[in-house]
Amino acid sequence: AQTVTQSQPEMSVQEAETVTLSCTYDTSESDYYLFWYKQPPSRQMILVIRQEAYKQQNATENRFSVNFQKAAKSFSLKISDSQLGDAAMYFCAYRSAPGKIQGAQKLVFGQGTRLTINP
Amino acid sequence: EADIYQTPRYLVIGTGKKITLECSQTMGHDKMYWYQQDPGMELHLIHYSYGVNSTEKGDLSSESTVSRIRTEHFPLTLESARPSHTSQYLCASSEYFEAGPGEQYFGPGTRLTVT
Repeated sequence: AQTVTQSQPEMSVQEAETVTLSCTYDTSESDYYLFWYKQPPSRQMILVIRQEAYKQQNATENRFSVNFQKAAKSFSLKISDSQLGDAAMYFCAYRSAPGKIQGAQKLVFGQGTRLTINP
Repeated sequence: EADIYQTPRYLVIGTGKKITLECSQTMGHDKMYWYQQDPGMELHLIHYSYGVNSTEKGDLSSESTVSRIRTEHFPLTLESARPSHTSQYLCASSEYFEAGPGEQYFGPGTRLTVT
């Protein structure tokens, strides 16, 4: 079974600076998807960024980018120019690629990292 | 924001009561999910559905039950609430993922407290 590990329960960064959140995963599959979700306090969980394992290029969405190291099974999230609105729990998640049995196509979440932005 | 709704947002109820947490989505998604999440902790999948009349138990054992009679509606029921059921319950839905990443859209959650 796949597992996702976020080794940083809490992180903090000064406003306008850059922070990197770590995520590692364990899988024997070669094709899969990776996601970073953001859960602000008392607000809905939203998708921040996703990466297809077959793509070598790292995904980027505005101030958010990932460092995907497939061989190392590492998927870190970099937030540039941190803003107060970035404060949230961040979850890394894994999903098997299409073609697998339906039951395997669930999201597997990490434990989460609480990010605090210091003004 | 995604069009997925949960009611109630907050519920405080006594032990032994029957409760139903509502979840509806207007995106026409076939796939729907229920997660249980203690504050500040990871999400645990407790139920999922791949379409009408299809329901499966998730990775975390739960005393709750679900039904999927309509595509847009995926309610979760606890026949007899206990203090151990105190938690946040998140509903999610996803698009057709057989050809893509299957991004999940989440509702705002129901925070349940059983006294």
